[in-house]
Amino acid sequence: RKEVEQDPGPFNVPEGATVAFNCTYSNSASQSFFWYRQDCRKEPKLLMSVYSSGNEDGRFTAQLNRASQYISLLIRDSKLSDSATYLCVVDFQKLVFGTGTRLLVSP
Amino acid sequence: DAGVIQSPRHEVTEMGQEVTLRCKPISGHDYLFWYRQTMMRGLELLIYFNNNVPIDDSGMPEDRFSAKMPNASFSTLKIQPSEPRDSAVYFCASTPRGGDADTQYFGPGTRLTVL
Repeated sequence: RKEVEQDPGPFNVPEGATVAFNCTYSNSASQSFFWYRQDCRKEPKLLMSVYSSGNEDGRFTAQLNRASQYISLLIRDSKLSDSATYLCVVDFQKLVFGTGTRLLVSP
Repeated sequence: DAGVIQSPRHEVTEMGQEVTLRCKPISGHDYLFWYRQTMMRGLELLIYFNNNVPIDDSGMPEDRFSAKMPNASFSTLKIQPSEPRDSAVYFCASTPRGGDADTQYFGPGTRLTVL
């Protein structure tokens, strides 16, 4: 089993839609969790950290479920500029990246 | 701030040749990381340094790969001899603390193609 697993997608959604991604992790001792965004042919950039209580940043909401070992990212009111690959990252002694979920937002 | 600088941005070489990738971390950052990204395996940590000292190289695939950090502002990742399966994007990243993902900054990457 991979340490971090994500549905590769792509998720094709129209502008204005709400879309959610899940990510599962295998190591129950993992301590920190993050979502990164990566545009085509660019480097990954931190989108947001994921806290146990859940957290929101504008149109983006991240949640953590330690019991089931998964984290989620919800994007509301999708914009064309949200089209990218979203990487789930788990921190246990080192950062482990998922292979990413690709999102395509169309007009 | 210029951010993390990597060179070259693209490298095409033939199997068996030596390849050297270069990285300049953000000034003041004392951790430096080398990652490799492929479609199949995603982003994988190869090695990281703290204050120029290699801390964990367990991700280095084999002896053909080596990394050095002779000073706080420069690191190299060398592949010798290179093989087609080494084709990937290699990222360098730096942080001012112990690998915290919320303070990790990636360079633009080097796209390596080994023919």
